[in-house]
Amino acid sequence: SAVISQKPSRDICQRGTSLTIQCQVDSQVTMMFWYRQQPGQSLTLIATANQGSEATYESGFVIDKFPISRPNLTFSTLTVSNMSPEDSSIYLCSVDGAGGRYEQYFGPGTRLTVT
Amino acid sequence: SQQGEEDPQALSIQEGENATMNCSYKTSINNLQWYRQNSGRGLVHLILIRSNEREKHSGRLRVTLDTSKKSSSLLITASRAADTASYFCATSGTYKYIFGTGTRLKVLA
Repeated sequence: SAVISQKPSRDICQRGTSLTIQCQVDSQVTMMFWYRQQPGQSLTLIATANQGSEATYESGFVIDKFPISRPNLTFSTLTVSNMSPEDSSIYLCSVDGAGGRYEQYFGPGTRLTVT
Repeated sequence: SQQGEEDPQALSIQEGENATMNCSYKTSINNLQWYRQNSGRGLVHLILIRSNEREKHSGRLRVTLDTSKKSSSLLITASRAADTASYFCATSGTYKYIFGTGTRLKVLA
């Protein structure tokens, strides 16, 4: 299994500012996923980040609002830009299991509150 | 939306009782998975069932899959207070995962 850490674990930010969330994995992985979970809701995939290429964004999410970096096989960042209260959510990164295992391993999440 | 639906949305039972939650999905799948989430933290993988399987067991968990009805169920037997959490199904078709709406389970001691 993969062990994933995220920083920060939580933050309270003012509207109009940006926050960068870090995701660190203890092993090399090809694909990393970023999800948003709005209060009381399910997970929605924001984008898939492959090392060495542009992230692939899902419908409703754009690079200008959620720029992603993937500098190596163990690390990724998600930036939430020009935040508004509607961005208040838990942001989670995840990776696939190794060796063809299909389950995903999740980080502990970053709880973001925008005031 | 491709998101799956789960029911019930919330379930409250006494310790020792069984809990059953259901998941319906919309697209063809390779596999279906169930996850648990405690108090808005990261998700923990519980069990995976492949599209050619009909039933799978893991400890106190029993999962069924009916691909003709595009539905799955998760049964937790002899529930414990520690089972209190939100449970999500997730379907995998290609490389991405689509999560259901979730069931909030509360087990009362």
